Amino acid sequence: DIQMTQSPSSLSASVGDRVTITCRASRSINSYLNWYQQKPGKAPKLLIYAASSLQSGVPSRFSGSGSGTDFTLTISILQPEDFATYYCQQSYNTPLTFGGGTKVEMK
Amino acid sequence: EVQLLESGGDWVQPGGSLRLSCAASGFSFSNYAMTWVRQAPGKGLEWVSAISGRGGSTYYADSVKGRFTISRDNSRDTLYLQMNSLRAEDTAVYYCAKGPFYDASAYSDYWGQGTLVTVSS
Repeated sequence: DIQMTQSPSSLSASVGDRVTITCRASRSINSYLNWYQQKPGKAPKLLIYAASSLQSGVPSRFSGSGSGTDFTLTISILQPEDFATYYCQQSYNTPLTFGGGTKVEMK
Repeated sequence: EVQLLESGGDWVQPGGSLRLSCAASGFSFSNYAMTWVRQAPGKGLEWVSAISGRGGSTYYADSVKGRFTISRDNSRDTLYLQMNSLRAEDTAVYYCAKGPFYDASAYSDYWGQGTLVTVSS
């Protein structure tokens, strides 16, 4: 199985900050990398698919980059509604696997 | 509007069985793969199983292989997860999710709100 490692596991940030979360795959997954946002008590929401494609309706302050084994999710200007947990997921092969999550907290 | 409504979550004793359902609406159900993802209390997301649009291809996590069975009834726009030989570590909120196309090995673009399964004596 492909292991997905996210870093950091948590971070503290302020509204207006630029936030970067990284995700590393245990082997190359080309661009089969997706990002989700989850708020407490809610279902995950797809933000980015295929490493850099923005899901319809997702604000443009979210962006993704990378290929192979190293990927990045960037929030350009953090908004109050962005405090949440973010997960990466590889869809290169089954079993699809998630990273451990990154909790973005208010500083 | 895509809607996914899970049901069937309950408390069950170890070794017991449960069947989850996910009623879909707002899209042509048989054209899309479907997935179950679970989340244990306070933990991260775990992909459980997926099924292609017509049900011909199914995939499972090693942790549930041989115990869980995914299926779908395209005439009823409903996804199922039959869970047997349940263990305490199966305790989680179970989400059903829709794929972006027919292939089962892809991301999930819409998610239900989840149903809680508790396995405990």
